[in-house]
Amino acid sequence: GAVVSQHPSRVICKSGTSVKIECRSLDFQATTMFWYRQFPKQSLMLMATSNEGSKATYEQGVEKDKFLINHASLTLSTLTVTSAHPEDSSFYICSATGPFNQPQHFGDGTRLSIL
Amino acid sequence: KNEVEQSPQNLTAQEGEFITINCSYSVGISALHWLQQHPGGGIVSLFMLSSGKKKHGRLIATINIQEKHSSLHITASHPRDSAVYICAVLPVSGTYKYIFGTGTRLKVLA
Repeated sequence: GAVVSQHPSRVICKSGTSVKIECRSLDFQATTMFWYRQFPKQSLMLMATSNEGSKATYEQGVEKDKFLINHASLTLSTLTVTSAHPEDSSFYICSATGPFNQPQHFGDGTRLSIL
Repeated sequence: KNEVEQSPQNLTAQEGEFITINCSYSVGISALHWLQQHPGGGIVSLFMLSSGKKKHGRLIATINIQEKHSSLHITASHPRDSAVYICAVLPVSGTYKYIFGTGTRLKVLA
């Protein structure tokens, strides 16, 4: 089946650091990628939708200057958490889908801890 | 009220039991997706349904579009089935954005 690789799986860093998370579709062309944030024991919360070659669409309340998303190719999207602070600590997970209403395929997630 | 409701929220079962997880939704959908989230956080796609029934191994998923309801069944449950099961619907608006249920936390005891 379709595979989405997310890297890194775990990041621990100091406050003020910028952290980049990569999401790759390994065996299909991902026309659309989604970035989610998940708090403990809660459902996935969509942060932004990115389409290859265009600017990401952010959900209400998500700071675009804080969470930079780049979708430069059909197989790679990146999320950069800029100047991360402890309140940004969370589980971030990406998903990717191809054209024609295909299901979303999820990465394994990144657990971000800001000290 | 959430647009996608799951029940039960938590479920503990003995190994070998037949398990049913329910999902009801209030919006028009083009498809419904059952997902499994492991304790480590990774999410696995189980089924995508727009009508009828699908079976894969010990898992069966059904959907009734008229009643806006889907069920996920696990036969002969095993401790490795312990996970959070999430129902996600694709509304007919065509944006590809899922509406997620709150999840069902399943624990299967040996």
